Amino acid sequence: GQNIDQPTEMTATEGAIVQINCTYQTSGFNGLFWYQQHAGEAPTFLSYNVLDGLEEKGRFSSFLSRSKGYSYLLLKELQMKDSASYLCAVRVSTGGFKTIFGAGTRLFVKA
Amino acid sequence: DGGITQSPKYLFRKEGQNVTLSCEQNLNHDAMYWYRQDPGQGLRLIYYSQIVNDFQKGDIAEGYSVSREKKESFPLTVTSAQKNPTAFYLCASSGERAMVGQETQYFGPGTRLLVL
Repeated sequence: GQNIDQPTEMTATEGAIVQINCTYQTSGFNGLFWYQQHAGEAPTFLSYNVLDGLEEKGRFSSFLSRSKGYSYLLLKELQMKDSASYLCAVRVSTGGFKTIFGAGTRLFVKA
Repeated sequence: DGGITQSPKYLFRKEGQNVTLSCEQNLNHDAMYWYRQDPGQGLRLIYYSQIVNDFQKGDIAEGYSVSREKKESFPLTVTSAQKNPTAFYLCASSGERAMVGQETQYFGPGTRLLVL
C-alpha cells in the first residue's frame, strides 16, 4: 500500500531552527510536496522535490532522498506565524497521477 | 485575480438531504480534485478529473458524486448515502497533468459541512 509518516506534533522556540521529517512507502514515486496549513484554512504550497538533494527557498528548505524514502522540511529563524500544520504529500503515477497526503505535523512556535 | 473559489464557507445538511459544494477556478487548469479532511487525518481523495467530461473515483468516493461539464467548474454532491459527511472539504486544481512544472495543486478556501 501507499503510506506516509510524519510526527504528529512538534514544538520549537521563536528564532530557532526546526526540522520536520517525512518517510514514505509508495510505488510510482513522481515527486514530493510540502504544504503549510493554518487552522481552518486551505493548504498553501511550500516546496516540490522530484530529484535528490536540497531545495532552498528563503527561510524554508526541503530535502529528498528517494533511495531512503525520506524527506525533511527545514524552517529557519522561526516566527510565531509559522505555527501551523505541515503536510507532506507524495505524487504517484498509477495509470494517471495522484497525490497522497500525510496526516500533517502540527508545529507550535513559542516565544 | 486568478484563483480557486469554493462556496459556501459553511454548509448545514439535514438527514436524508443531498447538498452540493461549488468549486470554480480561473487558472486555466486541466485537473481538479476534491479532498475531505477530518481532524488529525491527512487529506483523502474523493474524486478527481484530469479533463473536461471525465472524472475518476478517488479513495473514498462512496456517497459522493461529481460532474465536470466545464473546465472551470467541478461541483461535488454529498448524497444521503454518505453516512458521516461532517468534515472540511477542499477543492484543488493543477496544470496539465503530464507537463513538468505543472504538478503543484493549488487549493480553494474550503467548505465546512455540518450535519444537523
